[in-house]
Amino acid sequence: AQRVTQPEKLLSVFKGAPVELKCNYSYSGSPELFWYVQYSRQRLQLLLRHISRESIKGFTADLNKGETSFHLKKPFAQEEDSAMYYCALSSGSARQLTFGSGTQLTVLP
Amino acid sequence: DSGVTQTPKHLITATGQRVTLRCSPRSGDLSVYWYQQSLDQGLQFLIQYYNGEERAKGNILERFSAQQFPDLHSELNLSSLELGDSALYFCASSVTSASNQPQHFGDGTRLSIL
Repeated sequence: AQRVTQPEKLLSVFKGAPVELKCNYSYSGSPELFWYVQYSRQRLQLLLRHISRESIKGFTADLNKGETSFHLKKPFAQEEDSAMYYCALSSGSARQLTFGSGTQLTVLP
Repeated sequence: DSGVTQTPKHLITATGQRVTLRCSPRSGDLSVYWYQQSLDQGLQFLIQYYNGEERAKGNILERFSAQQFPDLHSELNLSSLELGDSALYFCASSVTSASNQPQHFGDGTRLSIL
């Protein structure tokens, strides 16, 4: 069965510091991975998907199949980045999402 | 704005009652997913519909049911409500259920059971 692990429930960094949010997955097939961001328990917004290899709001994520990881990185954190971040794996015939438990990022001034 | 519309935004009801949550997908999206977000269980997939047909079930209780109508809007019905059903219920839609199609989420319905 598929599983997504986000080991850090809480992460605090200072403004301007680099940030890395960890995500590890377990899946027997070819993984499709996404990062979603949620501000103040509002709508989940798609941040990144591994297939597009793009940078959104300065965030990037690289799929490492050897380490089964999809860590989210940003070189210089901003206060507006404070939010809950979810890593998700798409699987099954319906491509439903399996979410990690989320990491609450706080960027301190 | 994701283009996915959920109503109502908030719902307060009592144990034992029945409620219906409504979702209108983005224009052109055929696939609708329902998720539950609770403090103890996190985000969990409930059920998916594609073009009116049920395609996949996740951790959905027997007291819960859903359907997708010909105009592609979907409804999630929750009955015999219990305190533990209090949660944020999200609907998401995608063009199809094919690989690498991102799901776009609505604002959710916050259900509170008293």
